[in-house]
Amino acid sequence: DTAVSQTPKYLVTQMGNDKSIKCEQNLGHDTMYWYKQDSKKFLKIMFSYNNKELIINETVPNRFSPKSPDKAHLNLHINSLELGDSAVYFCASSLLSGVYNEQFFGPGTRLTVL
Amino acid sequence: AQSVSQHNHHVILSEAASLELGCNYSYGGTVNLFWYVQYPGQHLQLLLKYFSGDPLVKGIKGFEAEFIKSKFSFNLRKPSVQWSDTAEYFCAVNAAGTASKLTFGTGTRLQVTL
Repeated sequence: DTAVSQTPKYLVTQMGNDKSIKCEQNLGHDTMYWYKQDSKKFLKIMFSYNNKELIINETVPNRFSPKSPDKAHLNLHINSLELGDSAVYFCASSLLSGVYNEQFFGPGTRLTVL
Repeated sequence: AQSVSQHNHHVILSEAASLELGCNYSYGGTVNLFWYVQYPGQHLQLLLKYFSGDPLVKGIKGFEAEFIKSKFSFNLRKPSVQWSDTAEYFCAVNAAGTASKLTFGTGTRLQVTL
């Protein structure tokens, strides 16, 4: 009974390709996030959507484009992949209207760009 | 802007030893504080959280953390570690009352030897 799921779990691709990562949550949350974990394990926010509206957009190359078709889904599309995009990408979700902003994380997608 | 410092990058302990991992944050307002654990090859799991009230919070697997407001600290402790506690530990903070991003520390790799 997965709370936050991501597909695919592993993604190996060539430089210059375009790829997408999908995220779905079944927790009834209204806010979703994308984080990037680099090779040194450092985690950094990329984007956040609340009710399909972009609310956080950190300094991320515009090759990265998030899309939220509904509250339960937040996808990440990456154009013209570069070697430096290799990382683990984590999706998370939380409830904005709740008292606390506890974020629940997905299993991660390990992206390797060759 | 928020920032989080974890001073211990790599800690090696024998089983049954006591653990304390340091976490200091910087933020001008009220914060929520979290400790997450990432076991090898797995996703982030919440160990414990602090929002308000008793500054000593207890989490899963025998972990606890103490919020010391005057020191801007939220150190993680466990009286007796087990081999299965080998993992990466992340301290994180966000602004209280909002669906704001989590700002993570750089993580502490804990290695428990038999």
